[in-house]
Amino acid sequence: KAGVTQTPRYLIKTRGQQVTLSCSPISGHRSVSWYQQTPGQGLQFLFEYFSETQRNKGNFPGRFSGRQFSNSRSEMNVSTLELGDSALYLCASSPPDSTEAFFGQGTRLTVV
Amino acid sequence: KQEVTQIPAALSVPEGENLVLNCSFTDSAIYNLQWFRQDPGKGLTSLLLIQSSQREQTSGRLNASLDKSSGRSTLYIAASQPGDSATYLCAAASGSARQLTFGSGTQLTVLP
Repeated sequence: KAGVTQTPRYLIKTRGQQVTLSCSPISGHRSVSWYQQTPGQGLQFLFEYFSETQRNKGNFPGRFSGRQFSNSRSEMNVSTLELGDSALYLCASSPPDSTEAFFGQGTRLTVV
Repeated sequence: KQEVTQIPAALSVPEGENLVLNCSFTDSAIYNLQWFRQDPGKGLTSLLLIQSSQREQTSGRLNASLDKSSGRSTLYIAASQPGDSATYLCAAASGSARQLTFGSGTQLTVLP
């Protein structure tokens, strides 16, 4: 069974631009969560989607948004990029009968 | 608000030693506690999941314990190997069952 797949693996963007990251969960998993990892703040929860609905949201500005499609694939979008948005963005999926989280390899976003 | 702390922040041991990594959390109302491993620049690999009703879980050379009343979990690694060198993260699932609060990690180096 394939793991959680995140694309792209690396991105370089300029301040003020927007970016879209993609996450394909493990087959059969309907819950997808997103996390931001930075050296200063560690791993922080962004939001969680289940059956195309956002179930939970962390303490991030409205520039960070996401969505989930009917096939459980998820995208997150960051608008008006700031230098501080440079981070490793991780996606995790969970099976319907468990709260265990399985993470992808992440997308490394660099804002210049 | 859940807070998770990991001690020590870094640990260096010679190959073959048994070692213990510590994780503490402030809110004992957790659904589960999960231990992860992260290699540099990579995503998270799930090592062990302990449900709130369990006291410990074992996988190979790894054993994780959970004491909800004291807000503590430990990860025991037996007969450490250089390939165990990585950052180890613990995460508590509380509030929304799939929202994880992470500790800042313990960076482990096993010297040959």
